[in-house]
Amino acid sequence: AQSVSQHNHHVILSEAASLELGCNYSYGGTVNLFWYVQYPGQHLQLLLKYFSGDPLVKGIKGFEAEFIKSKFSFNLRKPSVQWSDTAEYFCAVTDPGGSYIPTFGRGTSLIVHP
Amino acid sequence: KAGVTQTPRYLIKTRGQQVTLSCSPISGHRSVSWYQQTPGQGLQFLFEYFSETQRNKGNFPGRFSGRQFSNSRSEMNVSTLELGDSALYLCASSPGRSSLEQYFGPGTRLTVT
Repeated sequence: AQSVSQHNHHVILSEAASLELGCNYSYGGTVNLFWYVQYPGQHLQLLLKYFSGDPLVKGIKGFEAEFIKSKFSFNLRKPSVQWSDTAEYFCAVTDPGGSYIPTFGRGTSLIVHP
Repeated sequence: KAGVTQTPRYLIKTRGQQVTLSCSPISGHRSVSWYQQTPGQGLQFLFEYFSETQRNKGNFPGRFSGRQFSNSRSEMNVSTLELGDSALYLCASSPGRSSLEQYFGPGTRLTVT
C-alpha cells in the first residue's frame, strides 16, 4: 500500500525565512502528487499539484514544489514566508492501484512569527 | 459557485448512539469522498461515491456507511459510536469519476463522550 511521510511535524519560522517541507512517498510507479493547506478555521484547499511534465510546479501564494522521481520526493518550498502562511500543510499521493484515491501524509504544522 | 457544504458543523454524541452527517457537493460535481481527520492519524479515506454507487472503500469497520443521492448529495452514517470515532469528518467533491482534484468542505466535528 502507498504511504506518505512528512518528516517535519512542527515547523516554526520567522517572517521572511525560507521554507522547505519534506514529503516522501513509497510507490515507485506513476503517481499524481498534491500539496494541500488548511488555514486555521478554514477548509482544506489545494496549494499545487503535479501530474506530469515540468517537475518544478508553481502553486498559489508563491509556493512551489519539486518532484524528484529518483528520491520519491515532492518537497514544498517558499522563498520568504509570511505570518499568513501559518497553517497545516498536507502532502498527498494518488493510489497506484488505479482508483486515484489519495493517500495523505500526517501533516506539518507551520507557525510563522511576525 | 458555492463550495462544498457539510451539516452539521459540530456534533456531540454519546457512546453507542448513531450519527448521520450530510454533504452537498459543488454544483455539477458527481463524485463525493469522505475522510476522517484526527491529530494522530491525519486524513484517512472512508469511501467514495459516484453516480449513487460506492466506488471505493477505505479500511474502516462496517459501522461506517454512506450513500449518495441522485442530486449527488451524500450522507455518511456511523452506528454504535465509540470514543475513538471523535474526529473531523471531511467531505470532498470532484467533477468526475477519479478524485484527481478534490474540493473539500469545512468538515463536521464529531465528539463522542
